[in-house]
Amino acid sequence: GQNIDQPTEMTATEGAIVQINCTYQTSGFNGLFWYQQHAGEAPTFLSYNVLDGLEEKGRFSSFLSRSKGYSYLLLKELQMKDSASYLCAVRSNAGKSTFGDGTTLTVKP
Amino acid sequence: DAGVIQSPRHEVTEMGQEVTLRCKPISGHDYLFWYRQTMMRGLELLIYFNNNVPIDDSGMPEDRFSAKMPNASFSTLKIQPSEPRDSAVYFCASSYTTGELFFGEGSRLTVL
Repeated sequence: GQNIDQPTEMTATEGAIVQINCTYQTSGFNGLFWYQQHAGEAPTFLSYNVLDGLEEKGRFSSFLSRSKGYSYLLLKELQMKDSASYLCAVRSNAGKSTFGDGTTLTVKP
Repeated sequence: DAGVIQSPRHEVTEMGQEVTLRCKPISGHDYLFWYRQTMMRGLELLIYFNNNVPIDDSGMPEDRFSAKMPNASFSTLKIQPSEPRDSAVYFCASSYTTGELFFGEGSRLTVL
């Protein structure tokens, strides 16, 4: 099965950098995904890692260490619109996609 | 592309009634997922299909829940009989192979 842990809540200041961690235990790993979900909306894809290392997409970066079962999402130059829930999800070789409970990020002025 | 289409967007029903939720995945996607989201339990995987075949339904709460995918462009999630504890937002999502998921806007179900 898959067990995914991430912090429940985080708060950061506009313009700052925030790192959201995710640890997982899984059998048959086939990728780790980060999604953003604004209140009342559906999750949308942010970033994807299948190999160890850092993937950068504009203000967002994601890191993966498969040996440690660890990933983080890094958000730079925080904006008020970045206030949302950030979901870590693990995909198995069988295609199953399991989500963590999400981290609610509040960006303050 | 129109994206994943779910219906209805909102449903209010009384306990004991049958509820049917519908989903049209993105054309060409071979995986389809049904999730349920509540404040208490987060985003729970109920069932997923690959090429219209159910692969894992271990997340389906009980026999009151059933899901079908008769063809590549349509899936249903049925609850019969519905109970107040089934109140949640139900998301359908699809993907091409094991890539990222594309979610529909969700169906908000309230069972009174």
